[in-house]
Amino acid sequence: DADVTQTPRNRITKTGKRIMLECSQTKGHDRMYWYRQDPGLGLRLIYYSFDVKDINKGEISDGYSVSRQAQAKFSLSLESAIPNQTALYFCATSGPTGGANYGYTFGSGTRLTVV
Amino acid sequence: QQQVKQSPQSLIVQKGGISIINCAYENTAFDYFPWYQQFPGKGPALLIAIRPDVSEKKEGRFTISFNKSAKQFSLHIMDSQPGDSATYFCAARKETNAGKSTFGDGTTLTVKP
Repeated sequence: DADVTQTPRNRITKTGKRIMLECSQTKGHDRMYWYRQDPGLGLRLIYYSFDVKDINKGEISDGYSVSRQAQAKFSLSLESAIPNQTALYFCATSGPTGGANYGYTFGSGTRLTVV
Repeated sequence: QQQVKQSPQSLIVQKGGISIINCAYENTAFDYFPWYQQFPGKGPALLIAIRPDVSEKKEGRFTISFNKSAKQFSLHIMDSQPGDSATYFCAARKETNAGKSTFGDGTTLTVKP
């Protein structure tokens, strides 16, 4: 099994619909992140969490919400999807500072299309 | 305000050649500089990383060169292979900023046989 699993892999939804993207990890890491990837724009941070009680907004959090259900699970929701939220979404985890796992481990991504 | 600028946007190299991708950053508080490799349909994967207390790090065919005074770092891929064809992202991270990473826009590398 992958260290970081994202579901679904692909999703097409209609404008105005609520949608949830799920992420689970087996790394045992406390830190989890949601990034959005658009062509030519790199990855931009949506939300991040250090534990179930510590959730923080990233640089592009408007229109998104998250839930950290457990150390291993971090979900991203689009409350009312709009077409410019069409993108590739990645979940990532990270170990503590200075550790061998300080870099990110990414999931395989969810390709979301809002029509 | 883009804190990490990556160039070139795309790069074509012949097999066996050297691929060089450059990044420049603005915030001197960044304390960790990773490179990620992404193949189509996959998530980015950590390739190699460096901290600002060293000027170079090498892992196999991949080398990071780091110039603290110029606020620049680069990825060198020696003896480039077709299997290296992918998108490469540089990033910069500051632990005092909750460990969040700021990414460059990516470089699409094509290695021709």
